[in-house]
Amino acid sequence: DARVTQTPRHKVTEMGQEVTMRCQPILGHNTVFWYRQTMMQGLELLAYFRNRAPLDDSGMPKDRFSAEMPDATLATLKIQPSEPRDSAVYFCASGPVGGYQETQYFGPGTRLLVL
Amino acid sequence: GENVEQHPSTLSVQEGDSAVIKCTYSDSASNYFPWYKQELGKRPQLIIDIRSNVGEKKDQRIAVTLNKTAKHFSLHITETQPEDSAVYFCAASRMDSSYKLIFGSGTRLLVRP
Repeated sequence: DARVTQTPRHKVTEMGQEVTMRCQPILGHNTVFWYRQTMMQGLELLAYFRNRAPLDDSGMPKDRFSAEMPDATLATLKIQPSEPRDSAVYFCASGPVGGYQETQYFGPGTRLLVL
Repeated sequence: GENVEQHPSTLSVQEGDSAVIKCTYSDSASNYFPWYKQELGKRPQLIIDIRSNVGEKKDQRIAVTLNKTAKHFSLHITETQPEDSAVYFCAASRMDSSYKLIFGSGTRLLVRP
């Protein structure tokens, strides 16, 4: 049963520190999404990639957040510098694209706490 | 912009009763509507989806209905069980180059034993 994996699962850091979150999409999936989940905002789309190219990052604060896909098996989301308001669960999701294949499969998430 | 509204935000039912969650979307070009279930501390998991070329889809105790004219779709859970307790999210997407899902705000379902 192929699954999206994310590391780390939990991260506690201090304000101002850099945070890097990693995602390994399901093998063969060519679309990767980054979401942020908080109690107040639900599931927010931050950015997404197809075939490693960024398609939309309009949901992401550009001054401190950056997302990349160095290769087909790794997506990263960085926050620099981190702030307490960034505390949330960050989910990565991947999906196959082609025909009617819009289904997205979520990773377990990275729970981030910025003190 | 694109928007999906979901109601109710919380729902409490007695075990064995039915639960209905409703969503309305704004983008008339949307043609794919998945539902995700998220248990506490876990990832959202796809439980059922429907495409715009059908009006209803069933999978055991869950069903989804779609009314394209009114731009709304609903999740129906029959014979609810305590393990159905979770947050349910609806979403809408258009079958074009974006494949972006627009999520509703979630419904917290509590099934009382």
